[in-house]
Amino acid sequence: AQSVSQHNHHVILSEAASLELGCNYSYGGTVNLFWYVQYPGQHLQLLLKYFSGDPLVKGIKGFEAEFIKSKFSFNLRKPSVQWSDTAEYFCAASNSGGYQKVTFGTGTKLQVIP
Amino acid sequence: EAEVAQSPRYKITEKSQAVAFWCDPISGHATLYWYRQILGQGPELLVQFQDESVVDDSQLPKDRFSAERLKGVDSTLKIQPAELGDSAMYLCASTAGGTQYFGPGTRLLVL
Repeated sequence: AQSVSQHNHHVILSEAASLELGCNYSYGGTVNLFWYVQYPGQHLQLLLKYFSGDPLVKGIKGFEAEFIKSKFSFNLRKPSVQWSDTAEYFCAASNSGGYQKVTFGTGTKLQVIP
Repeated sequence: EAEVAQSPRYKITEKSQAVAFWCDPISGHATLYWYRQILGQGPELLVQFQDESVVDDSQLPKDRFSAERLKGVDSTLKIQPAELGDSAMYLCASTAGGTQYFGPGTRLLVL
């Protein structure tokens, strides 16, 4: 069965600290990978996506993620977090063909302390 | 920038009542999804449409939930009767180029 796992449920960091959120997926075939962010009171927004090509993907607001096929991972990183990055982050995956059913992880709540 | 529209934004109902949610995807998006997101969890797919056809409703509790997209544009999700456990955020999304765009959601509270 298709699944996405996020191992960190709640992360607390001080401003300027580096961030890495883990994401592992279990999918058959070619996979598309996503990170979404949900700021307090706002709807889900796409941070970045990987379909093919360079496994290091850069997204908005200084975020990046690296697709490591051998580890079935797509971890999210940011070198220096800001208070405004406080949000919930969701990793998601879909099959790259057909009807592209998307499966989400359970999310990681990031709290950045000023 | 075009957005996915949903209404209502909030709904409070009593158990055993019927509720309905509406979604208008971004113009031209053929694929539409309904998700349920329980507090503290990720979105869970309820139903996926390709134009007016259902392509995945395996996680939809069909004894009480129904969804339609009659003309392949906007869509309605209905719950009848609502149960306490249905309290959640109901999200609609549409897709272009493999990327989903989400609406603001309808937060349902069943008392």
